[in-house]
Amino acid sequence: KNEVEQSPQNLTAQEGEFITINCSYSVGISALHWLQQHPGGGIVSLFMLSSGKKKHGRLIATINIQEKHSSLHITASHPRDSAVYICAVGGEYGGSQGNLIFGKGTKLSVKP
Amino acid sequence: NAGVMQNPRHLVRRRGQEARLRCSPMKGHSHVYWYRQLPEEGLKFMVYLQKENIIDESGMPKERFSAEFPKEGPSILRIQQVVRGDSAAYFCASRFHNEKLFFGSGTQLSVL
Repeated sequence: KNEVEQSPQNLTAQEGEFITINCSYSVGISALHWLQQHPGGGIVSLFMLSSGKKKHGRLIATINIQEKHSSLHITASHPRDSAVYICAVGGEYGGSQGNLIFGKGTKLSVKP
Repeated sequence: NAGVMQNPRHLVRRRGQEARLRCSPMKGHSHVYWYRQLPEEGLKFMVYLQKENIIDESGMPKERFSAEFPKEGPSILRIQQVVRGDSAAYFCASRFHNEKLFFGSGTQLSVL
């Protein structure tokens, strides 16, 4: 079993839909990251969080430390949101803060 | 303030040659991380460096791979005697203390 599991693997949505991507992990962590990888390959860090909830524009990330679960929500989705969304965890299990364990990613396609 | 700069963007090497990948972190960032993304696989941590020091190299293959981050100049990931299995995208990221990561555009290494 992978230490970081994401679901779903693939997601197709219509423009305007509310989207949720889930991430479960099995190790102790100090921080969880949500990343966005564009079709061209570039990676952007969306959120780094260790508790509660963060919001940036149409994106919301939540984390439940007790349940070892995080969700990334996209409101009013748009075709430009099409990308691979990656969950990564790091810290407490003994590695350095950048020694992240990555999920396999969720490929999101938003149709106009 | 330019982002994290990686070069070259694409690198082609024949088996047995050396590959040198460069990463200039964002201005003011002293923490540099290297990650590898093999075809159809997730990202994997390789090494964490601060200026002139390797902090965590637990993800680095024991042979042929080395990394440095000198006092002056970019961080270098060096792969000696490349093999076809080294073909991958190599990403560098930097951060300022405990803030979120900023990623470079990656170097796509192809070994013929």
